[in-house]
Amino acid sequence: DVVMTQSPLSLPVTLGQPASISCRSSQSLVSSDGNTYLNWFQQRPGQSPRRLIYKVSNRDSGVPDRFSGSGSGADFTLKISRVEAEDVAVYYCMQGTHWPWTFGQGTKVDIK
Amino acid sequence: QVQLVESGGGVVQPGRSLRLSCAASGFTFSTYLMHWVRQAPGKGLECLAVIYFDENKRYYADSVKGRFSISRDNSKDTLYLQMNSLGVEDTAVYYCARDPGGTYDYWGQGTLVTVSS
Repeated sequence: DVVMTQSPLSLPVTLGQPASISCRSSQSLVSSDGNTYLNWFQQRPGQSPRRLIYKVSNRDSGVPDRFSGSGSGADFTLKISRVEAEDVAVYYCMQGTHWPWTFGQGTKVDIK
Repeated sequence: QVQLVESGGGVVQPGRSLRLSCAASGFTFSTYLMHWVRQAPGKGLECLAVIYFDENKRYYADSVKGRFSISRDNSKDTLYLQMNSLGVEDTAVYYCARDPGGTYDYWGQGTLVTVSS
């Protein structure tokens, strides 16, 4: 199975400051169709996961533009340009290229 | 709007069986791959099973292969997960999720399965 490794696992951030989460996969996530199926999800306490980013850098409708995704191959990053209180959540990367699809361990973002 | 509503969770003894359902609405169910994903209490997310449009292909994670079975009824817009030989390690919230291709764009609210004697 493809192992997804996130860092850090805990990220205390000051309101208004940037945050960055790294996600590395144990093998390339470039699919045979040329797409890279790397996704980012946000899970607030007590809620279902919500997709933020798909195919590395495509932001979902309704997701604030302070969230951005980047990377290629096996190395990816989620950035929050200015953290707001509503961003307190656990963030997961997930690969949808190789079955079984696999998630990172999750990064807990909270306010310092 | 797209809605996925899981049901069927509850408390079950080890070794017993349970069937989960996921009722879909707001989209053409038969044209999407569908998945089950679970999350043990306080833990991360685990993809369990995927089913293709007309049930011709189904794939499972090793952790549930041979014990769980995914199925769908496109006439009822419903996804199922038959879970047999349940163990305490299967205690989790179970989500159904829609797959438009390499991702999950919609999730249900989840249903809690607790395996305990």
